[in-house]
Amino acid sequence: EPEVTQTPSHQVTQMGQEVILRCVPISNHLYFYWYRQILGQKVEFLVSFYNNEISEKSEIFDDQFSVERPDGSNFTLKIRSTKLEDSAMYFCASRATPNAFFGQGTRLTVV
Amino acid sequence: KNEVEQSPQNLTAQEGEFITINCSYSVGISALHWLQQHPGGGIVSLFMLSSGKKKHGRLIATINIQEKHSSLHITASHPRDSAVYICAVTFGNEKLTFGTGTRLTIIP
Repeated sequence: EPEVTQTPSHQVTQMGQEVILRCVPISNHLYFYWYRQILGQKVEFLVSFYNNEISEKSEIFDDQFSVERPDGSNFTLKIRSTKLEDSAMYFCASRATPNAFFGQGTRLTVV
Repeated sequence: KNEVEQSPQNLTAQEGEFITINCSYSVGISALHWLQQHPGGGIVSLFMLSSGKKKHGRLIATINIQEKHSSLHITASHPRDSAVYICAVTFGNEKLTFGTGTRLTIIP
């Protein structure tokens, strides 16, 4: 069964550092998403990406965040200068049909 | 803005019991998803439905578009069903809007 893969599974970083979270979506999918889940809270939408550009972003997705699809397979989320409140589980998802496929997530801990 | 409400927030049951988790939403949608999240954090899609009913093994999902309500049922529940079950809704290929989840614990 096709799957979305995310790396790393867990990343610890110091406040103020840049982090890049990586995702490999399912190859024939066209829509890509990043979501995050702060511990104990519900999953929140960050950004959607279609046709090599951002199609929608949430209020959370400020200038500190960026997304790229650098080589046609990877889909990355960059946080330029991490804050303590960026600590969360980050999920990548992709879809070509109404069904969405999620990666296993990257647990980001900012210290 | 679409709000997604789930009930109950927490549910503990004995092995073998029939489980029902409910989801309601506030505006029209194109699809509703039921997702499962295990303690490790990964999310697995269980169902996507836009009308009627779907069944997969011991899991059954129903949706009533007019009432803006969906239910997830688990028959003959088992401890391995213990997880957080999340309802999420979407319009077309747009983002998913998530409910807060229902934490299910099945006691042997």
